Amino acid sequence: GAGVSQSPRYKVAKRGQDVALRCDPISGHVSLFWYQQALGQGPEFLTYFQNEAQLDKSGLPSDRFFAERPEGSVSTLKIQRTQQEDSAVYLCASSRGREIGNSYNEQFFGPGTRLTVL
Amino acid sequence: AQTVTQSQPEMSVQEAETVTLSCTYDTSESDYYLFWYKQPPSRQMILVIRQEAYKQQNATENRFSVNFQKAAKSFSLKISDSQLGDAAMYFCAYRRRTGTASKLTFGTGTRLQVTL
Repeated sequence: GAGVSQSPRYKVAKRGQDVALRCDPISGHVSLFWYQQALGQGPEFLTYFQNEAQLDKSGLPSDRFFAERPEGSVSTLKIQRTQQEDSAVYLCASSRGREIGNSYNEQFFGPGTRLTVL
Repeated sequence: AQTVTQSQPEMSVQEAETVTLSCTYDTSESDYYLFWYKQPPSRQMILVIRQEAYKQQNATENRFSVNFQKAAKSFSLKISDSQLGDAAMYFCAYRRRTGTASKLTFGTGTRLQVTL
């Protein structure tokens, strides 16, 4: 497809379950971002990949959150032992170039995955 | 740390009229980008307009324009000739212009309603 895709679009989990959220960036995009958007809030940064390297994970809220992008394309955000406070929309964005220096690369967003933890 | 504040949770405008959405931000840096994003119910963030802080001229994209006041750290979005399709959440966002991992910092959003 032409845009960023994410799956599943909706996920309901019982508290304590592990979940995996997938992001397919635009083909050839080097940079990939994950954001968490709680209800009624703006997105908040979670982590950033440049190709397969995770260069910034400062936004991950706890060690239950783990992200990977092993081949520099598809990325997975995994949440272990989900808690109710993890309920949110998880947005993925990709951009063409490396996010370095003063280069500008527009971030293209996917439709997000809405996670509900019961 | 950078912060972005949107003090208008909701705004309403009549079709064909003009509306202005407000945004203020705080940063100690001098070189950065500011953005307005639109998020319809489909949840997909769409870039509306971008402003480089080093440019004095306000950015314009068709019916969308900004009023960028760098000293006041203010960045408002004006939508002219509002259309029903403009109804959405609008987020103001900040991004450093230099350095690595140029993540976006968003405000809390303004819900725009467009009425007939």
